[in-house]
Amino acid sequence: ELQLVESGGGLVQPGRSLRLSCTASGFTFADYPMNWFRQAPGKGLEWVSFIRHKAYGGTTEYAASVKGRFTISRDDSKSVAYLQMTSLKIEDTGMYYCAKAVRGRRTVVDLWGQGILVTVSS
Amino acid sequence: EIVMTQSPATLSVSPGARATLSCRASQSINSNLAWYQQKPGQAPRLIIYGASTRATGIPARFSGSGSGTEFTLNISSLQSEDFAVYYCHQYNNWPPRDTFGQGTKLEIK
Repeated sequence: ELQLVESGGGLVQPGRSLRLSCTASGFTFADYPMNWFRQAPGKGLEWVSFIRHKAYGGTTEYAASVKGRFTISRDDSKSVAYLQMTSLKIEDTGMYYCAKAVRGRRTVVDLWGQGILVTVSS
Repeated sequence: EIVMTQSPATLSVSPGARATLSCRASQSINSNLAWYQQKPGQAPRLIIYGASTRATGIPARFSGSGSGTEFTLNISSLQSEDFAVYYCHQYNNWPPRDTFGQGTKLEIK
């Protein structure tokens, strides 16, 4: 069964850091770009970050709202994608989803994790 | 930033009837549009990409159309499992500057 499972969320104070993990199973993780999206409580979806697979250089992209504060990475040997979040702000609060790209479509995604909640509050 | 506007915000339709959801882009996005379905407490699910290509496993009652700035998601013969929130997503630019619409809630009439 194809599956993505996020972990590492929780309650954190403004200005602090948190690292999310996304563990994949059921498909060849190394063959696909990965993305992170988020959804503030009761709000719509926001694309956060993208990482290519190593065959295409493993390059990364970020939304303007998180650029310079968030870092996406991957460990293909463990089938895990990460999102390192620093200098967290209250507006970073939300459900974070990792998602697998449709082959050849970069930020169009066809497999989502169940999501992990990040709450930034003092 | 490309602004995606979905209409209506809420659509009430009877089971078995047809639903038409709209999405408008503030500038041309060619056919770089996807539709996602999200049920309460669940992750989104990809329905359509490339404006009109159904994702794997999506029933034929779902169809997408449009290009440029105007897009439509049609769901014929609504089933109980189709009632959800639908989001459109534009992915026209690289580096990515993806944006989503605010969603249309499809509810049972």
